[in-house]
Amino acid sequence: EPEVTQTPSHQVTQMGQEVILRCVPISNHLYFYWYRQILGQKVEFLVSFYNNEISEKSEIFDDQFSVERPDGSNFTLKIRSTKLEDSAMYFCASRRQSSQETQYFGPGTRLLVL
Amino acid sequence: GESVGLHLPTLSVQEGDNSIINCAYSNSASDYFIWYKQESGKGPQFIIDIRSNMDKRQGQRVTVLLNKTVKHLSLQIAATQPGDSAVYFCAEKDGATNKLIFGTGTLLAVQP
Repeated sequence: EPEVTQTPSHQVTQMGQEVILRCVPISNHLYFYWYRQILGQKVEFLVSFYNNEISEKSEIFDDQFSVERPDGSNFTLKIRSTKLEDSAMYFCASRRQSSQETQYFGPGTRLLVL
Repeated sequence: GESVGLHLPTLSVQEGDNSIINCAYSNSASDYFIWYKQESGKGPQFIIDIRSNMDKRQGQRVTVLLNKTVKHLSLQIAATQPGDSAVYFCAEKDGATNKLIFGTGTLLAVQP
């Protein structure tokens, strides 16, 4: 069964450094998402992406964040200058088409900012 | 504002019993609801979903009930197994957006 994959599984970085989190959505899916989950808290929406552009973003997704689909398979989340409060699990999700609502999640990347 | 919350933060059941996990939501404009299971260190795993034009949907060992009158969603798991132990999240989608809004989660602990 096709799955969303994410790399790396864990990332440790120094405050102020840039990180890129990578995702490979399910191959025939058209809608892509990033969510984050701070330890012990609920999953929060960051951004949605469709047709090579951001379709929606939350207030969390400020100028330090960007997303890109550099080729036909990868979907990346970049944090330009990480802050301590960016430490969280970051989940990528994808959805097939507008008539199919279900979002399928990857295993996540655990980001720790020191 | 919109919010999704859970009545019970933890639920402990005996193996073989039925489990019921509840969720309250406040956004009347939500048109789609979904239950996810999250095991430790893993991403949310789809369990079952339901659209707002339905009030019940059944899957394998799971049933989701939607009561739009009181804005309540529940997940029923039949014959609960140790492998069902996880955190269960409900999530809603507003009809005007693509994003999912998650509840705080309920920890289901299955006792052998």
